[in-house]
Amino acid sequence: QQQVKQSPQSLIVQKGGIPIINCAYENTAFDYFPWYQQFPGKGPALLIAIRPDVSEKKEGRFTISFNKSAKQFSLHIMDSQPGDSATYFCAASSALENNLFFGTGTRLTVIP
Amino acid sequence: DAGVTQSPTHLIKTRGQHVTLRCSPISGHKSVSWYQQVLGQGPQFIFQYYEKEERGRGNFPDRFSARQFPNYSSELNVNALLLGDSALYLCASSLVWGLISEQFFGPGTRLTVL
Repeated sequence: QQQVKQSPQSLIVQKGGIPIINCAYENTAFDYFPWYQQFPGKGPALLIAIRPDVSEKKEGRFTISFNKSAKQFSLHIMDSQPGDSATYFCAASSALENNLFFGTGTRLTVIP
Repeated sequence: DAGVTQSPTHLIKTRGQHVTLRCSPISGHKSVSWYQQVLGQGPQFIFQYYEKEERGRGNFPDRFSARQFPNYSSELNVNALLLGDSALYLCASSLVWGLISEQFFGPGTRLTVL
């Protein structure tokens, strides 16, 4: 059973566009929601993370929006660049279990 | 500063063989987790260790085992390899366990089972 559902599977945007990736979860014990970026042949790298006590968090060009009542969160990439082309994973975990449950990934392509 | 290191980078085995993968965490990190990433999928949790004790185990068969050493490095062992074990095996280290602690991933070991 997929604990974290992610969409879309792939996304193509023009340079400067704002890709949005969405995730949903069911387990209300989750209290930590990170986003990871992965390039081919590399391990995932943490981009930004949010706790459920806030509805939005910005770090540079990356923004997480969090809707606790809907159990959904999303990643927005402002002014996207070709170098942002990668696979993005949302994840969730709880302090109780500590392990990360990942979404299935979104392959982003930013066209110059 | 060195990040999480894993060895070997690539490995080719045949069905039925045994494999050992190794991970060195970031200096000062005491928790190590292992994940399996099948091509086109997100990483799946296998094990988590903290202070040399197993603190969590994912839904993997008993053919998978792991341990953590006094220097906090870790090994993942897989016995009786199956074709379906072909994947990227990721190690992640974090400072502590039991609190929300950012996990840093290594580059992974690409295992191919023929």
